[in-house]
Amino acid sequence: EADIYQTPRYLVIGTGKKITLECSQTMGHDKMYWYQQDPGMELHLIHYSYGVNSTEKGDLSSESTVSRIRTEHFPLTLESARPSHTSQYLCASRRTGGKSEAFFGQGTRLTVV
Amino acid sequence: SQQGEEDPQALSIQEGENATMNCSYKTSINNLQWYRQNSGRGLVHLILIRSNEREKHSGRLRVTLDTSKKSSSLLITASRAADTASYFCATVTQGGSEKLVFGKGTKLTVNP
Repeated sequence: EADIYQTPRYLVIGTGKKITLECSQTMGHDKMYWYQQDPGMELHLIHYSYGVNSTEKGDLSSESTVSRIRTEHFPLTLESARPSHTSQYLCASRRTGGKSEAFFGQGTRLTVV
Repeated sequence: SQQGEEDPQALSIQEGENATMNCSYKTSINNLQWYRQNSGRGLVHLILIRSNEREKHSGRLRVTLDTSKKSSSLLITASRAADTASYFCATVTQGGSEKLVFGKGTKLTVNP
């Protein structure tokens, strides 16, 4: 069973609010990823990290920011939420290496009203 | 743009039939993985094939990889209603960052 957790599972928030989506894993994985996914659609990589203090933007431009101060923690922050940010956000982690699968959290479904 | 492209986008079959999904990618890869997603929840890993492998089996799953064509296929044999889900391929790019990029997915419906 995957030891990767996302909180909250659901969030409804007003426009302009600052939010932080939490993602934590207890597997000691060095690689972590954030994806944005609309219902029934593809996963878009928005941020990834290959270790502490090492983060990169993904293929989809995002107004969110991330940090990786500790191996187990990879929070995503939106400084000012907008309705266009409404989506599901999925966090994943994996070990470095050619045979390493990714483990996913259950996701955070964000609605900005 | 995303690394992988699956086809078909949607597939509807009867229980007991085989389901084949295809995936194409664009850059050099370390490995290619297939995942399953039920109803918009988190993804679950199914099978991984390394860039130097051509075919791999796991239970009712069979994956092939053709690096010359930059393509892979996932075959699910003797499908069951419980196989109804979305299936995604993902590639791990070569290099230290090991970016993990997903395709658009195939939505599979298995009718009882």
